[in-house]
Amino acid sequence: DTAVSQTPKYLVTQMGNDKSIKCEQNLGHDTMYWYKQDSKKFLKIMFSYNNKELIINETVPNRFSPKSPDKAHLNLHINSLELGDSAVYFCASEGGRTGELFFGEGSRLTVL
Amino acid sequence: GNSVTQMEGPVTLSEEAFLTINCTYTATGYPSLFWYVQYPGEGLQLLLKATKADDKGSNKGFEATYRKETTSFHLEKGSVQVSDSAVYFCALRQVNNNDMRFGAGTRLTVKP
Repeated sequence: DTAVSQTPKYLVTQMGNDKSIKCEQNLGHDTMYWYKQDSKKFLKIMFSYNNKELIINETVPNRFSPKSPDKAHLNLHINSLELGDSAVYFCASEGGRTGELFFGEGSRLTVL
Repeated sequence: GNSVTQMEGPVTLSEEAFLTINCTYTATGYPSLFWYVQYPGEGLQLLLKATKADDKGSNKGFEATYRKETTSFHLEKGSVQVSDSAVYFCALRQVNNNDMRFGAGTRLTVKP
């Protein structure tokens, strides 16, 4: 079983559309994250949730809205997509404060 | 603020060569330090970590020592293999903080 799974793995869409990326972890972890990785591999934190509560909300356009229906799920909804949103989005989870984040395989978003 | 600076890549080595990837950090207090590795097409995974000064993290032949006097956490391996080809990320986290800060990543290619 995949520990942290994201869907879809690839997403190609037009500017202005709204899209969602889903993330689920089966590790029983309390904390989940969304990271954005640009084309140069730079990894930037976007959001962090702990037990469904928003902990970190970096300077991200409010077109990005995370939703955590339960502690095993953290979804990312993006409104009015722009070219600059093209990137690989990684979901991750962490149990306790070990510093060991478990990452999903990433969702590559391409905005045309 | 907290930040991590790692050497720019890409780094290309022949098999069995010695590897060093430099990482220095800026932080107040005593952060925990990490190295993560990202193999092609995958999410990041923890390689090793150190939580206090003079600690040495090690895994799969890789080592890094937490040097507070030089604010460094350089990654080393005595003899690299083709299978070590990946992107390596240095990361930092403060105590009582969910924010894991990653460096820009260093791409390593090992040739047979």
